[in-house]
Amino acid sequence: DQQVKQNSPSLSVQEGRISILNCDYTNSMFDYFLWYKKYPAEGPTFLISISSIKDKNEDGRFTVFLNKSAKHLSLHIVPSQPGDSAVYFCAASGNQFYFGTGTSLTVIP
Amino acid sequence: EAGVAQSPRYKIIEKRQSVAFWCNPISGHATLYWYQQILGQGPKLLIQFQNNGVVDDSQLPKDRFSAERLKGVDSTLKIQPAKLEDSAVYLCASSLEPTQGGNSPLHFGNGTRLTVT
Repeated sequence: DQQVKQNSPSLSVQEGRISILNCDYTNSMFDYFLWYKKYPAEGPTFLISISSIKDKNEDGRFTVFLNKSAKHLSLHIVPSQPGDSAVYFCAASGNQFYFGTGTSLTVIP
Repeated sequence: EAGVAQSPRYKIIEKRQSVAFWCNPISGHATLYWYQQILGQGPKLLIQFQNNGVVDDSQLPKDRFSAERLKGVDSTLKIQPAKLEDSAVYLCASSLEPTQGGNSPLHFGNGTRLTVT
C-alpha cells in the first residue's frame, strides 16, 4: 500500500518560471515531510523539510507547503533553473521514511 | 565531510548466484539504512541499524537477504541466491539520529545498480 504518492511522473517548465511538484499522503500520523532531489547515477540528496505542525517552510528558491486537511504537500521552485532538472522524491517520516515514486522535472532553457 | 561510500557501483550476476554490497556511512552517524529502489519506484527500506543493532528489518526478504554491521560502522548487504526481481539500485544511507518521529535527514550514497540475468 503506497502511503506517499506522487501522481505526476514528469513535469516540464521554462527557465525562470515556477515549478510546482505535488505529493499526497494517507497517514495523518506522519511527523515530518521531506523533499529529496536525485540526479542520474547519484543517490538522492536532501533538499528541504517541513514539520507537520507548520504549513510553510522556505529556503531560498525552494518553498514547501503543507495542507494537513487535504493530506497534500507541494514543492515550489522559483525561479526554476536548468540545474534544477532532476527527479524529486517526497518522503514522509513516521516509524520510517516512506518515499513517493518521484517526479522528473525538466527545466527548459 | 566525506559522504556515504558504497561499492561496487555496478554488478551483473546470473540468477541463483550470490552478491554482496558494502557501505561506509558518514563518520559519527549511528543510524544506517539499506534501501532497494526498483526502476520507476521510490526507495523502499530493507533494514535499519542503530549502531550494530537491528532496529527494523520487517521488509527484508530474510530467506535470501542478509545484512550485518558488526562494529557499528561499515555494513554489508548480501543476496543469496539472487532472483530476477532483485534487479534494482541498492542505496545505503546514514543519519545522525534515528528517523522514528524525527527530522534527521537521510544522507544517501550513490548506490549499487544490480542486474540479475
